[in-house]
Order: sequence, then C-alpha cells, then structure tokens
Amino acid sequence: QQQVKQSPQSLIVQKGGISIINCAYENTAFDYFPWYQQFPGKGPALLIAIRPDVSEKKEGRFTISFNKSAKQFSLHIMDSQPGDSATYFCAATWAGSYQLTFGKGTKLSVIP
Amino acid sequence: ETGVTQTPRHLVMGMTNKKSLKCEQHLGHNAMYWYKQSAKKPLELMFVYSLEERVENNSVPSRFSPECPNSSHLFLHLHTLQPEDSALYLCASSQEGGLPYNEQFFGPGTRLTVL
Repeated sequence: QQQVKQSPQSLIVQKGGISIINCAYENTAFDYFPWYQQFPGKGPALLIAIRPDVSEKKEGRFTISFNKSAKQFSLHIMDSQPGDSATYFCAATWAGSYQLTFGKGTKLSVIP
Repeated sequence: ETGVTQTPRHLVMGMTNKKSLKCEQHLGHNAMYWYKQSAKKPLELMFVYSLEERVENNSVPSRFSPECPNSSHLFLHLHTLQPEDSALYLCASSQEGGLPYNEQFFGPGTRLTVL
C-alpha cells in the first residue's frame, strides 16, 4: 500500500527528444506527488510537484500528467538536453505527513 | 555555507568501529531527516526530528543512533555496522507548521562503506 512503482529503471533519449517517466501508486491517501532530480554527488532536489485536483502541471520543459482514476502520474521532459541527465525520483505523501514514499528512480541519459 | 551540508562526504569503517555523521542546515528550518539511499532501492526514511524531538523512527536497527542537539544540527552515530549498511546517507530539512506539504531540502550525502 505504501509503494510507489516507477519505470523505466533507465532511459536513453536523443537530445531534443521527449523523456517520459511513469509512476503508479496504491495508497489513495496520497494527495501530493513531487518529483525529485538528483545529479551525481548531490542530494535530490525538488523539481516539480502536483496535487490530484489537477490533471497536468507544467513548468518550463517539465510537465507532470496525473490520472487519478488509474492512480498513475508521469513526468515528461520536452526538448531533453544533456544537462537533464540525472536520476529522477517520483514520490508521494499526504498533508501533514513527514513521510515521503519514493519510487526506485530512473536514470536518464540524454545523448547529443 | 548555504543549504544543507554533511560531513564527512566519504567514510570507510570496519564493523567494530564507532563513527558519527554530521548534518547542518542553514535554512532556518525546524525539522530534520535521515535517509538511507541504496542502489536500485527507494530512499528509505530512517529518522525524523521536529523541533528537536524525534517524531519518526522507521524500524531502524539500534546500531544507528540519531541525535539532534538543536534545530540546525543532526548527527547519526554508528556502531558495529554490517557490510549491508554500506550506502549513501542523506540528511534533509524542512519547515514545519507553514505549508501543508513540506518541501524537503537534501544535503549531498555521506557515502559510507563498511568493511
């Protein structure tokens, strides 16, 4: 119930392409879904987040799509750049909780 | 110093050693966290301190002992560790009592190797 399942484990995308990472959850108590980006040698950093009252949120080249009925959400990176090469983690939590439940991560490599 | 800092960045220790990891946050936050990050596994929350009181302890073995002397500092004391404890240990901080969803700010981690 606490799991967040993330796929794929790794992803290689050509520069300028679209990167798509998917996550699914079971616990319907979750009501906040952040994505974290982690570069080698650094800690994770919040990239973008969504609440389930909207189906999409866009910030620059990064978009979260959310399907409440399917209990799935995904991160889309448009016009992917080599500088986007990092590990991406989806997560889920609920209001007032200290607990962030993370997916296992997706290692994205954007090749020139 | 800005953000969340951790020392040391790398640590190699034997199973009989005692060592400590240090975390300091320069963000004025009032909650601090320890996470364990192992390869191909989700980040695991170990401990949470809010206003210097421990509020979460996620079934962590007693060979890991946290200490939070004030809202800016967090320690993780290690003793008689096992090789499977080798991992990246991340510290994070957040501001409680403001937003309903607390953004956690992470440090760069300490890479721990237990021989």
